[in-house]
Amino acid sequence: AQTVTQSQPEMSVQEAETVTLSCTYDTSENNYYLFWYKQPPSRQMILVIRQEAYKQQNATENRFSVNFQKAAKSFSLKISDSQLGDTAMYFCAFMHDMTDSNYQLIWGAGTKLIIKP
Amino acid sequence: KAGVTQTPRYLIKTRGQQVTLSCSPISGHRSVSWYQQTPGQGLQFLFEYFSETQRNKGNFPGRFSGRQFSNSRSEMNVSTLELGDSALYLCASSGSRELKETQYFGPGTRLLVL
Repeated sequence: AQTVTQSQPEMSVQEAETVTLSCTYDTSENNYYLFWYKQPPSRQMILVIRQEAYKQQNATENRFSVNFQKAAKSFSLKISDSQLGDTAMYFCAFMHDMTDSNYQLIWGAGTKLIIKP
Repeated sequence: KAGVTQTPRYLIKTRGQQVTLSCSPISGHRSVSWYQQTPGQGLQFLFEYFSETQRNKGNFPGRFSGRQFSNSRSEMNVSTLELGDSALYLCASSGSRELKETQYFGPGTRLLVL
């Protein structure tokens, strides 16, 4: 069974610093999708970034980028120039390739990120 | 385009009662998934519907059920509520042409069972 591990329960950094959140996963599949979601105190789950396993290039979205190491089964999230609004729980999630019609997200336990002024 | 909406946002029930939660997906999305979030168990998949058919089901007892209507709106029902059912229930929709696997979440329904 697939598992997703986030080894950092909580992290805190100063505003404007760069922070990297770790995520590892276990799968025997070759094609799959990986996601980072953030959940602020408001509780709304918001998509941060997605990565398709068959793509070599690391995904980027403005200040957010990933370091996808397929062989190592690692998918870390880097937040550059961190802002107070980045304070949230961050979840790493895995999804099978959709060809087998298995659409569920498998979640890590989350990392609580606090940005200090 | 409007996002995923969930109603009600908050619910308080007592043990033994039943509850129905509603989810309206993003317009054009045909897949709706449900997740339960608790401090102890984290995020767990409940079930996923597509075109009124349940395609996937998580490891939850039969007290948890759902359905999807022809307009893609979905409901989930929990019967004979237990204290452990207290949780945030999240609904997500997917199915956009470009990012068909990517799930977009609603604000959730906070259920408290007393």
